[in-house]
Amino acid sequence: QGQLVESGGGVVQPGRSLRLSCAASGFIFSTYGMHWVRQAPGKGLEWVAVIWSDGSNKYYADSVKGRFTISRDNSKNTLYLQMNSLRAEDTAVYYCARLYYNGMDAWGQGTTVTVSS
Amino acid sequence: QSALTQPASVSASPGQSITVSCTGTSTDVGGDSYVSWYQQHPGKAPKLMIYDVSNRPSGVSNRFSGSKSGNTASLTISGLQAEDEADYYCMSYTDSTTVFGGGTKLTVL
Repeated sequence: QGQLVESGGGVVQPGRSLRLSCAASGFIFSTYGMHWVRQAPGKGLEWVAVIWSDGSNKYYADSVKGRFTISRDNSKNTLYLQMNSLRAEDTAVYYCARLYYNGMDAWGQGTTVTVSS
Repeated sequence: QSALTQPASVSASPGQSITVSCTGTSTDVGGDSYVSWYQQHPGKAPKLMIYDVSNRPSGVSNRFSGSKSGNTASLTISGLQAEDEADYYCMSYTDSTTVFGGGTKLTVL
């Protein structure tokens, strides 16, 4: 069925950078598009970015465009999210999720990012 | 990329049915996009309940069903059970953009 495990979260000061990773196992990672989705404390889900299976196309939410970069290494079965110029409003639990047909059928447990001075 | 509109909360008794609406525009829900629904229990990751408007993934109860009319998608849960109490989110997906609804808290009385 597949498993996703996020890592790399932590506490970071505003304006600094952080890179999240999402390790995939149990399925053929290179054949699936992948998303990052975040959830601020007590708030709803917010889509962040998507990358196609071969990495050829990437799309971002307006709120992170120009600051965040999604990438993947299919040889390592790993998805990444490089987050630069972090702001307090980026504080959230970040989930990676697998694109299945046009939904997200597998999710990681999430990694927490806190942006605070 | 405005969030889709969902009711903040809905409640019903066990055994009853409820419908959660998800309203967008002609550029998302009402256009060439695909609607899915997610269930999220507190402290847990979301779970896919419906994809492509009305399809259930393997393992999801047939008490859950989805539909769409115009700019509004709907999730119906029949025969409510205590374990259905959770937050529910709709999502509209196209190749280039994805947007979630604000979420609906379902309370099973």
